[in-house]
Amino acid sequence: GQNIDQPTEMTATEGAIVQINCTYQTSGFNGLFWYQQHAGEAPTFLSYNVLDGLEEKGRFSSFLSRSKGYSYLLLKELQMKDSASYLCAVSPPRSGNTGKLIFGQGTTLQVKP
Amino acid sequence: NAGVTQTPKFQVLKTGQSMTLQCAQDMNHEYMSWYRQDPGMGLRLIHYSVGAGITDQGEVPNGYNVSRSTTEDFPLRLLSAAPSQTSVYFCASSPRRDSDQPQHFGDGTRLSIL
Repeated sequence: GQNIDQPTEMTATEGAIVQINCTYQTSGFNGLFWYQQHAGEAPTFLSYNVLDGLEEKGRFSSFLSRSKGYSYLLLKELQMKDSASYLCAVSPPRSGNTGKLIFGQGTTLQVKP
Repeated sequence: NAGVTQTPKFQVLKTGQSMTLQCAQDMNHEYMSWYRQDPGMGLRLIHYSVGAGITDQGEVPNGYNVSRSTTEDFPLRLLSAAPSQTSVYFCASSPRRDSDQPQHFGDGTRLSIL
């Protein structure tokens, strides 16, 4: 099965850099997703990693190490609007692209002035 | 494009009542899923479908039924509502490709069972 762990809450300062970690114990997975969810809204897609390494998208980057069972989301030049929950999710093995995702509990990030 | 549309946005039920949460998408996506979101527990998969006429169970299927008679619609039925089903319900869809695709989520249905 899959067990995905994320810190519950984090606080950072506007303009700073923050790293949100996601560790997992799983028998394998196809790929790892990061979603952003503002309070009271739907999750929106941020990034996807299938190979080990860093994927960069503007101020957001995501890293994956399958051998270490570890991923992180890096947010640079933090803005107040980045205050949200960040969800780590994996697509289980042998599910292919079926829309089946297993989520961690999410990390609530608060950005302070 | 409307994307993924969920109705109703809010609902209050009494224990034992039944209801159907509607989900429709206009992107011709093959894959659709239902999740529930509870504080401290993240999103948990209830049921999913890889195409019309095909459904399967997720992590927490008990107390819920689904059907997929068309590509566009994927309703979720609560046959006899229980307080433990108080939650926010999200429907999501994604296209069928050779590799994983991001899911598109609806705005959610906030359901309270008294």
